[in-house]
Amino acid sequence: AQTVTQSQPEMSVQEAETVTLSCTYDTSESDYYLFWYKQPPSRQMILVIRQEAYKQQNATENRFSVNFQKAAKSFSLKISDSQLGDAAMYFCAYRTPLNQAGTALIFGKGTTLSVSS
Amino acid sequence: DTGVSQDPRHKITKRGQNVTFRCDPISEHNRLYWYRQTLGQGPEFLTYFQNEAQLEKSRLLSDRFSAERPKGSFSTLEIQRTEQGDSAMYLCASSLQGNAEAFFGQGTRLTVV
Repeated sequence: AQTVTQSQPEMSVQEAETVTLSCTYDTSESDYYLFWYKQPPSRQMILVIRQEAYKQQNATENRFSVNFQKAAKSFSLKISDSQLGDAAMYFCAYRTPLNQAGTALIFGKGTTLSVSS
Repeated sequence: DTGVSQDPRHKITKRGQNVTFRCDPISEHNRLYWYRQTLGQGPEFLTYFQNEAQLEKSRLLSDRFSAERPKGSFSTLEIQRTEQGDSAMYLCASSLQGNAEAFFGQGTRLTVV
């Protein structure tokens, strides 16, 4: 069974600085999707960034980028120029390819990011 | 369209009572998922629908839990004979078949006292 591990329960960063959140996963599949979701306190979970395993190029979305190391099964999230609004719980998630059964997301336990001014 | 909508946002119930939650997905999305999230943990998959068909159920979904999506639009999740261990946030998500991205609702927070 696939698993997702986030080894950093809490992280902190100062405004304008850069922070990296770690995620490792375990799977025997060669094709899959990886995601980072953000869950602000008492608000809904929103997608930050996604990566298709067959793509070698790391995904980027504005200040958010990933370091996808397929052989190492590692998928870290880098947040540049951190802002107060980035404070949230961040979840790493895995899902199987779209043409397979079991399309649910498998989540890690999350990393709480705090941002100080 | 305002995204995935869940109702109620909060529910407090006494142990042993039945509760029902509703999820309205994004209108054109044919896939709908239910997850459970306990404090400080990541969401855990409960069940998944493609249109009106319930295609997958997690072992977490005990026989006290039942989910329906009668017309392939909104879905309901019912918990019978609630227990204190059922206290959690229940999240609904929807997606388009062929699209990896799932959109989440704000969740229903259940407290069993």
